[in-house]
Amino acid sequence: GNSVTQMEGPVTLSEEAFLTINCTYTATGYPSLFWYVQYPGEGLQLLLKATKADDKGSNKGFEATYRKETTSFHLEKGSVQVSDSAVYFCALSDQNTGNQFYFGTGTSLTVIP
Amino acid sequence: DTAVSQTPKYLVTQMGNDKSIKCEQNLGHDTMYWYKQDSKKFLKIMFSYNNKELIINETVPNRFSPKSPDKAHLNLHINSLELGDSAVYFCASSLGTGNTIYFGEGSWLTVV
Repeated sequence: GNSVTQMEGPVTLSEEAFLTINCTYTATGYPSLFWYVQYPGEGLQLLLKATKADDKGSNKGFEATYRKETTSFHLEKGSVQVSDSAVYFCALSDQNTGNQFYFGTGTSLTVIP
Repeated sequence: DTAVSQTPKYLVTQMGNDKSIKCEQNLGHDTMYWYKQDSKKFLKIMFSYNNKELIINETVPNRFSPKSPDKAHLNLHINSLELGDSAVYFCASSLGTGNTIYFGEGSWLTVV
């Protein structure tokens, strides 16, 4: 079946540090991959996405590359800011299973000044 | 011009009561969802409607009943509320299935 596994949190970083949040997936077909961000007290917002292998999604300094060979979609940012403190969710949708979305468990990031 | 709006944002109610959460989207989407997020931020799909037809109905107590009067609205009614129903409920929508899902800001339900 389909599933998304992302690294356990919480993650605490100092401002300007490098961020990696790991995400791996299992899918029966060729899924689309997404990163969503949830700021405190808000709903989830799309951060970036990639629809096929080797695509790179990027937004607000974050990026993630769709790696079919390692079934991964790791989120990276070169220099985090306090305002990046949020919960990050990796997700996939797979045509082979009716395009249902599968979300990871979320990774909480806190950036300290 | 909120895209996905849900009301109320906060709801505190006693065990055994019946309550509803309303959701509307103005994005012209044809698919709407209800998700439940627990205190550990785990997100679980509850229901999904496409063109007013129920397409996803996960294992949810039958005290929860969704209603979609039209493509732009998906309401959630909960009967006989229990303590374990306390959570944040998110409405969401998308154009077709499998495409980017847009979330509302959530409804914080506390059952006391």
